[in-house]
Amino acid sequence: TQLLEQSPQFLSIQEGENLTVYCNSSSVFSSLQWYRQEPGEGPVLLVTVVTGGEVKKLKRLTFQFGDARKDSSLHITAAQPGDTGLYLCAGAWADRGSTLGRLYFGRGTQLTVWP
Amino acid sequence: ETGVTQTPRHLVMGMTNKKSLKCEQHLGHNAMYWYKQSAKKPLELMFVYSLEERVENNSVPSRFSPECPNSSHLFLHLHTLQPEDSALYLCASSQELEAGGGDTQYFGPGTRLTVL
Repeated sequence: TQLLEQSPQFLSIQEGENLTVYCNSSSVFSSLQWYRQEPGEGPVLLVTVVTGGEVKKLKRLTFQFGDARKDSSLHITAAQPGDTGLYLCAGAWADRGSTLGRLYFGRGTQLTVWP
Repeated sequence: ETGVTQTPRHLVMGMTNKKSLKCEQHLGHNAMYWYKQSAKKPLELMFVYSLEERVENNSVPSRFSPECPNSSHLFLHLHTLQPEDSALYLCASSQELEAGGGDTQYFGPGTRLTVL
């Protein structure tokens, strides 16, 4: 059973379209992070959301953390070919205990934006 | 150099070889991590070091041996690997927060390992 479910797994769209990808869990997280990873590279942090209901904007990207801190979404407006990559969400436990620095990653959404 | 660097970027080795992966972070962080990323699988946490002390080892086979000589450097020593160990190995670092939860991790570019 995957702790964090990301959907869709693959998304292929034309330049200029809008899209939303989702990250869902039955667990409550103290924070949730979104990363983008390009082929042959490590994940690059886009944003961290901490407060339930929080909305953060990064240019054409809008990130939302669910009120119950169990889910998150990433919306991209007017997608560009440079947005192509693997989008990963990662949640940190509310109760850390011995799981120091533990992030739980989803499988990711592979986004391809065609010119 | 800034951020997290990893060397080598690509490595091809036979099953009887011994090699080491190196990671260096220039962010002044106090925690470092090794992850394995295989095709169609989520990132798998292998080892966590906090203040140079190993604090987590997720049932990783003994053919993988980590070493953290100081807070800026992390190594992964490899010996007698199997073809299924072929993957992208990622290093990350973070500044551990006393308040708990949500340490932002910064990743290196990874080492693409192929075991023949």
